[in-house]
Amino acid sequence: SAVISQKPSRDICQRGTSLTIQCQVDSQVTMMFWYRQQPGQSLTLIATANQGSEATYESGFVIDKFPISRPNLTFSTLTVSNMSPEDSSIYLCSVTFGTGGYEQYFGPGTRLTVT
Amino acid sequence: AQSVAQPEDQVNVAEGNPLTVKCTYSVSGNPYLFWYVQYPNRGLQFLLKYITGDNLVKGSYGFEAEFNKSQTSFHLKKPSALVSDSALYFCAVSPGYSTLTFGKGTMLLVSP
Repeated sequence: SAVISQKPSRDICQRGTSLTIQCQVDSQVTMMFWYRQQPGQSLTLIATANQGSEATYESGFVIDKFPISRPNLTFSTLTVSNMSPEDSSIYLCSVTFGTGGYEQYFGPGTRLTVT
Repeated sequence: AQSVAQPEDQVNVAEGNPLTVKCTYSVSGNPYLFWYVQYPNRGLQFLLKYITGDNLVKGSYGFEAEFNKSQTSFHLKKPSALVSDSALYFCAVSPGYSTLTFGKGTMLLVSP
């Protein structure tokens, strides 16, 4: 496994603003993912962050709302744009290491509250 | 498309007793199955996985899970529960080296 950190750990934001969440891994990883966990709910995959190319979004999520960057093999950002209270969730990044393990390892999450 | 069902919202067990958290799945092809645990205000921690091989897999903190292909199940078990096992448990499935689909989660409460 590896050490995965996210910044910020939590934030309270006003409606209509944007927040960028950072995910940093202490070693190179094959794949990075972004998930949303709404209050009391399971995890929903937002997108796969592809290094050097556009992210692959799941149904119901669009790039204009959740732009993602992945400039290298250890770092990614997720921006939540034009926020509304419905965006209040925990946002988690996860990684895989591509050596046949298949399992994903998760960061500690970013708890976002939109007022 | 794959799916995971965790039929119990909550499982209650007394400390020292065996515990089982149920999971059934649906996926095309051979399933890759996982269990994760989430403690309050923490991210998800990987517990164990089934990819191929022995149907009984062992993982972290004394947990194990049994893969049953005919029943499409992957139940999480532990012979003797601890109060510190109280947490939210997620089962997940993947059709391969790909994205995970999670169940809705089961809250495990272990009473002293």
